[in-house]
Amino acid sequence: DAGVIQSPRHEVTEMGQEVTLRCKPISGHDYLFWYRQTMMRGLELLIYFNNNVPIDDSGMPEDRFSAKMPNASFSTLKIQPSEPRDSAVYFCASSPPRLGPSYNEQFFGPGTRLTVL
Amino acid sequence: KNEVEQSPQNLTAQEGEFITINCSYSVGISALHWLQQHPGGGIVSLFMLSSGKKKHGRLIATINIQEKHSSLHITASHPRDSAVYICAVGGATNKLIFGTGTLLAVQP
Repeated sequence: DAGVIQSPRHEVTEMGQEVTLRCKPISGHDYLFWYRQTMMRGLELLIYFNNNVPIDDSGMPEDRFSAKMPNASFSTLKIQPSEPRDSAVYFCASSPPRLGPSYNEQFFGPGTRLTVL
Repeated sequence: KNEVEQSPQNLTAQEGEFITINCSYSVGISALHWLQQHPGGGIVSLFMLSSGKKKHGRLIATINIQEKHSSLHITASHPRDSAVYICAVGGATNKLIFGTGTLLAVQP
């Protein structure tokens, strides 16, 4: 398996532009997570899906951020309009179905480094 | 106070040394994760544990649920172990809460 795939790997855009980040989870995994990593705040969970349904989006910073998962093999994180403070590395991760009381480990993609000028 | 605290924040060691990184948490958890991130690189899950001890090669992770504490040990450290090590705890909701990370530099 190729692991979690994210695109683009790097994105530079200007303030006010729309940004779309893409993620393909590992086949068979039914949990998908979007994280943001900054120097100031470290890693933060933005939203996660289970079986394509958003379960918890309490980490989404504001209405400018939206995420979708139209099918089991694809998810997007969109920022519209983008602002310089959105500059960060955005990670997507997936994990397999739960088989017991505990959740499984998460497998991270390589991340998308976003710079908003 | 952060819900997940790691110590030390920075650690420099000589090649071959035994290394310990600590993680304390204040919330109820179902599992604790240790992650590794190389500079400019992706994040790799090293361990997920809910009790006892796990070993993988030169890495050992332990957890004490009663004391809400976990340690990550690296035996016979090597420069390629240089990375940020992140502790994360997961509760009933599958959300991970991350520590701020420990930056490890192993010098040859």
